[in-house]
Amino acid sequence: GENVEQHPSTLSVQEGDSAVIKCTYSDSASNYFPWYKQELGKRPQLIIDIRSNVGEKKDQRIAVTLNKTAKHFSLHITETQPEDSAVYFCAANTGGFKTIFGAGTRLFVKA
Amino acid sequence: DAGITQSPRHKVTETGTPVTLRCHQTENHRYMYWYRQDPGHGLRLIHYSYGVKDTDKGEVSDGYSVSRSKTEDFLLTLESATSSQTSVYFCAISESPGDTYGYTFGSGTRLTVV
Repeated sequence: GENVEQHPSTLSVQEGDSAVIKCTYSDSASNYFPWYKQELGKRPQLIIDIRSNVGEKKDQRIAVTLNKTAKHFSLHITETQPEDSAVYFCAANTGGFKTIFGAGTRLFVKA
Repeated sequence: DAGITQSPRHKVTETGTPVTLRCHQTENHRYMYWYRQDPGHGLRLIHYSYGVKDTDKGEVSDGYSVSRSKTEDFLLTLESATSSQTSVYFCAISESPGDTYGYTFGSGTRLTVV
């Protein structure tokens, strides 16, 4: 089955710097890659997603890139702000009901 | 608030007792999911449903059962709770299989088995 690995597990950046979180997946049939943000004590919320026919997608300060050949995808956050502090999860779906999540990255943005 | 509620929000139970968690949605979405969240493991799929009375197993289904008698309700039952089932449980819904628009999650149930 699909396996998703996520790195780093913890990331600390200074406010205004960029943050990059990387994920790899094992099943080449995966075709949908969502990213979720979970603030402390809250529910995970979808922040951006990308499909396998697209190499990059941007939404304001957030962008996601996908390299199908290498089977990895990344989340880029620019001009980080304290409210970006949260746990971020990547995930992969092969086209069915089972979305497999990475273990999460705890991002700290220091003011 | 996102059209999905979970109950209870917190529960402490004793080893060996049955426990049922409830997920209720007002979005009329066909697809519902139960995940557990543990440190270092992210979110792992327990069971999912693709319609009334239609359910299937996920990655970590041992010790859990589910039922869906109405579109809006998806129940997760721990038949005989164990300490390894101490976790935060999230219900999620989607209007299509998870490869299209992602999930909307409930607020979670924190379950402690003592």
